[in-house]
Amino acid sequence: QQQVKQSPQSLIVQKGGISIINCAYENTAFDYFPWYQQFPGKGPALLIAIRPDVSEKKEGRFTISFNKSAKQFSLHIMDSQPGDSATYFCAASSGRGGGNKLTFGTGTQLKVEL
Amino acid sequence: DTEVTQTPKHLVMGMTNKKSLKCEQHMGHRAMYWYKQKAKKPPELMFVYSYEKLSINESVPSRFSPECPNSSLLNLHLHALQPEDSALYLCASSQAGGLANYGYTFGSGTRLTVV
Repeated sequence: QQQVKQSPQSLIVQKGGISIINCAYENTAFDYFPWYQQFPGKGPALLIAIRPDVSEKKEGRFTISFNKSAKQFSLHIMDSQPGDSATYFCAASSGRGGGNKLTFGTGTQLKVEL
Repeated sequence: DTEVTQTPKHLVMGMTNKKSLKCEQHMGHRAMYWYKQKAKKPPELMFVYSYEKLSINESVPSRFSPECPNSSLLNLHLHALQPEDSALYLCASSQAGGLANYGYTFGSGTRLTVV
């Protein structure tokens, strides 16, 4: 059972535009929602994360919007650059001691064109 | 040191071979993970070690055998693998437990090809 749904599967944005990736979850026990960026041949790297007591978090050009009642969260990349071209994964976890199990979305391949 | 180091970066092995993947971190993280990632797919959890003890095994076939010799090292022993086991194997670490400690750090992975 997939617990985190991610869309779109792929996205093409012009340089300077806004990239928006959406995720929805089912498990109300999730209490941590990170986004990972992965370049080809590399491991995922933590980009930004949010907890459900906050509706929005911004770090530079990256913003997470979180809607607890709708069980949805999204990543906005402002002023998208060609260097942002990568695969983006949303994720969710609920851990209480003993390590934290991440459930990933299916991923979005972002291409930023000149 | 804020890195998770995985070796080797690439590995080609036959179906009768025995090999090991290694992972090391010196961030003081007490949870370590093995993930498997196929092309264009998200990482899939295989094992979780917390305080050097296996806490989660996601029904992984016994041809994959994890080992955590100490809090900084994590190994994945491979034996009698199948071609469908070819994938990117990712190691990750995080501080175990507590609401403030959910950030994972991933290594760059080992690209495994089984022939």
